[in-house]
Amino acid sequence: DAKTTQPPSMDCAEGRAANLPCNHSTISGNEYVYWYRQIHSQGPQYIIHGLKNNETNEMASLIITEDRKSSTLILPHATLRDTAVYYCIAFPWNEKLVFGKGTKLTVNP
Amino acid sequence: EAQVTQNPRYLITVTGKKLTVTCSQNMNHEYMSWYRQDPGLGLRQIYYSMNVEVTDKGDVPEGYKVSRKEKRNFPLILESPSPNQTSLYFCASSLLDRATEAFFGQGTRLTVV
Repeated sequence: DAKTTQPPSMDCAEGRAANLPCNHSTISGNEYVYWYRQIHSQGPQYIIHGLKNNETNEMASLIITEDRKSSTLILPHATLRDTAVYYCIAFPWNEKLVFGKGTKLTVNP
Repeated sequence: EAQVTQNPRYLITVTGKKLTVTCSQNMNHEYMSWYRQDPGLGLRQIYYSMNVEVTDKGDVPEGYKVSRKEKRNFPLILESPSPNQTSLYFCASSLLDRATEAFFGQGTRLTVV
């Protein structure tokens, strides 16, 4: 599985877009980029995933660079309930989940 | 409402006293798994099951047992708990061909003294 690097923490103002970066420079062609989040000791929650195209769903958008070495998760209008640890992981389709340390996002009022 | 339900949410027990953590899902998912989460070590898979009567070891299976007699239930059994099994445990379920889009339970915080 490709190693991913995320900043340990970020802050965002409520109502603004939260842009969470992830570096996965060693990603291979069959590895997807997945994002999960975990709100204070609750179960992780799947957000979105992508291979090479940008993706959007009701929760977030995922922007993957053309060379696939990095990606950005965008929460368009962050709320206080979006405060969580966000995990970026890269691995082949349908493999078991392995989470790293993630980015702790704090949304401030 | 689609959900994965774990019980109990909190448990304090003594070394050696057998315990079971239950997990139930209402989404007719084939794939179910158990994880433990420890500070600095992230989320690690204990056991998984791809369908009824089909279970297999994950990364840290020692000291745990599971069973999958029904599709909806996947209990985690600690036959003789030890303090190093103090952890936060999560059950997850998903469709078999979408194992990486998992639904997680709310977690069970286990303390073994």
